[in-house]
Amino acid sequence: DTEVTQTPKHLVMGMTNKKSLKCEQHMGHRAMYWYKQKAKKPPELMFVYSYEKLSINESVPSRFSPECPNSSLLNLHLHALQPEDSALYLCASSQIHRGGTGELFFGEGSRLTVL
Amino acid sequence: GQNIDQPTEMTATEGAIVQINCTYQTSGFNGLFWYQQHAGEAPTFLSYNVLDGLEEKGRFSSFLSRSKGYSYLLLKELQMKDSASYLCAVSNDYKLSFGAGTTVTVRA
Repeated sequence: DTEVTQTPKHLVMGMTNKKSLKCEQHMGHRAMYWYKQKAKKPPELMFVYSYEKLSINESVPSRFSPECPNSSLLNLHLHALQPEDSALYLCASSQIHRGGTGELFFGEGSRLTVL
Repeated sequence: GQNIDQPTEMTATEGAIVQINCTYQTSGFNGLFWYQQHAGEAPTFLSYNVLDGLEEKGRFSSFLSRSKGYSYLLLKELQMKDSASYLCAVSNDYKLSFGAGTTVTVRA
């Protein structure tokens, strides 16, 4: 099983809503990532979890709150978002090698629209 | 910081060869990746270089020169399905930073 599964595929929310994006992998990877991608732009790193601990936060606003309940699951909790937060949110996972990441496996993404 | 440069767009004919260059200046380096991304889809892994030299994988090859901060992705025998964005990405510890991507259009 070499899949990273993300739900939901599409999400529309208002600025006062609270919602969550979910990501799951069963490849035994111990690093998991959240990326944000705007149209015609490259993915931008938001958060990295290694061994279920938050290791990198790229100065992401607190209205985005990541959570890693176990080694297979990664959530991104959303609250009080702005319309400019509308984007494709990509989850990825990788093995952890000495000195860095291995190949990142990406999910298909959750397309978020904030009204 | 990270600075990763690649051309914005390239166009080539079906059956031809295209070379996408990537130059980088990064504070650390653990390897260079190339990803393919079709519009509206997730990036998919193409190649990984950590040592200098050429890695060949079917129709796709990737080259790295660490001393020059330079890599290229070579696409041979182009097919229409190769029309996509190609992303150069540099790994530093657990951070994978992407270049802006090169949109390749394959014409019949």
